[in-house]
Amino acid sequence: EADIYQTPRYLVIGTGKKITLECSQTMGHDKMYWYQQDPGMELHLIHYSYGVNSTEKGDLSSESTVSRIRTEHFPLTLESARPSHTSQYLCASSERGRNYGYTFGSGTRLTVV
Amino acid sequence: SQQGEEDPQALSIQEGENATMNCSYKTSINNLQWYRQNSGRGLVHLILIRSNEREKHSGRLRVTLDTSKKSSSLLITASRAADTASYFCATVVLGQETSGSRLTFGEGTQLTVNP
Repeated sequence: EADIYQTPRYLVIGTGKKITLECSQTMGHDKMYWYQQDPGMELHLIHYSYGVNSTEKGDLSSESTVSRIRTEHFPLTLESARPSHTSQYLCASSERGRNYGYTFGSGTRLTVV
Repeated sequence: SQQGEEDPQALSIQEGENATMNCSYKTSINNLQWYRQNSGRGLVHLILIRSNEREKHSGRLRVTLDTSKKSSSLLITASRAADTASYFCATVVLGQETSGSRLTFGEGTQLTVNP
């Protein structure tokens, strides 16, 4: 079944650790996105990609980085986690073109202690 | 600042009643979309309405768009307890098509449907 998967679902990690949040989709979508969302708040775009080897920063400044080596995979990395990175991270994908909705993963809830 | 603003921020109704949520935006859009988010989960796409459309239906959902007022509304008819969730509007800004049609989300409306 076509879907988008995020792992881990929950992560508690110490300050200064390097972490990678995984996102994979099986729909063959060219476009993928990372959003950051605090509980009960709006979503902020932090990174997006329109295809392999294409990545761009979003509207919200983030200390994270992303890569897009394969169409289906769009991991997000924090080199040195801080408590201010505590948030929910949502990955999404969409078809090429402007009149398509996004498919979201279930999210990774990150807590940095 | 975010493109979309939902109103009300929170809405509590009884099962069987209709729920109406509103969204206003600031700049001209290509399309407007509504999403639903259950607590702590990802978002689910509900409906997309293009800028040249005025109304769209999907099951118990009805969406209207008034581009002159830069506003949209989402109506859920005959609500159920399972409709309890946060509802977000999101827009694709006109002119962003070549840059990939990024969605900009509003702050959301928390809907609670009481059994």
